[in-house]
Amino acid sequence: DQQVKQNSPSLSVQEGRISILNCDYTNSMFDYFLWYKKYPAEGPTFLISISSIKDKNEDGRFTVFLNKSAKHLSLHIVPSQPGDSAVYFCAAQGNTGNQFYFGTGTSLTVIP
Amino acid sequence: DSGVTQTPKHLITATGQRVTLRCSPRSGDLSVYWYQQSLDQGLQFLIQYYNGEERAKGNILERFSAQQFPDLHSELNLSSLELGDSALYFCASSVRATNTGELFFGEGSRLTVL
Repeated sequence: DQQVKQNSPSLSVQEGRISILNCDYTNSMFDYFLWYKKYPAEGPTFLISISSIKDKNEDGRFTVFLNKSAKHLSLHIVPSQPGDSAVYFCAAQGNTGNQFYFGTGTSLTVIP
Repeated sequence: DSGVTQTPKHLITATGQRVTLRCSPRSGDLSVYWYQQSLDQGLQFLIQYYNGEERAKGNILERFSAQQFPDLHSELNLSSLELGDSALYFCASSVRATNTGELFFGEGSRLTVL
């Protein structure tokens, strides 16, 4: 049972435009959410996170939005750069703090 | 470089065999997680160890086992291998047992079962 879902396997965006990656979750007990970025032949690297007490967190070009009522979060990248081309994983953590549940990933291609 | 080291990077073996994947966490990290990524799948949580003790268990098959040693490195043992066990196996580490924060991932071990 996939508790964290990324329904778009891939996304292509022109350089300089906004990239929006979406993630949905089913478990209302999740209270911490993260985005990871993965390049080929490398492990995932942490990008940005948000606690359930917030609805927005911003770090440079990256902003994560959380809509708890809709159980939805999104990652905005503005402006998109070719180096952002990677697979992005959404992850969620419950209040027990032990398990991280990951989505299936969205492959972002930023076209120069 | 995340500081998490996984060996081997690639492994090809036959059905029915047994393999061991090794992970060295970041210096100072006490918690080790194992994840499996199969084709078109997300990262499936297998098991977590903290300072030598099993802390949480996910979708880990009975044919799989893991342990964390006193020097904090961890090994994931996969036995009676099946074709469907072919996947990328990631190890991740963090400082705390319960971690609101990021995990640091290794580069993964790609297992191919023929």
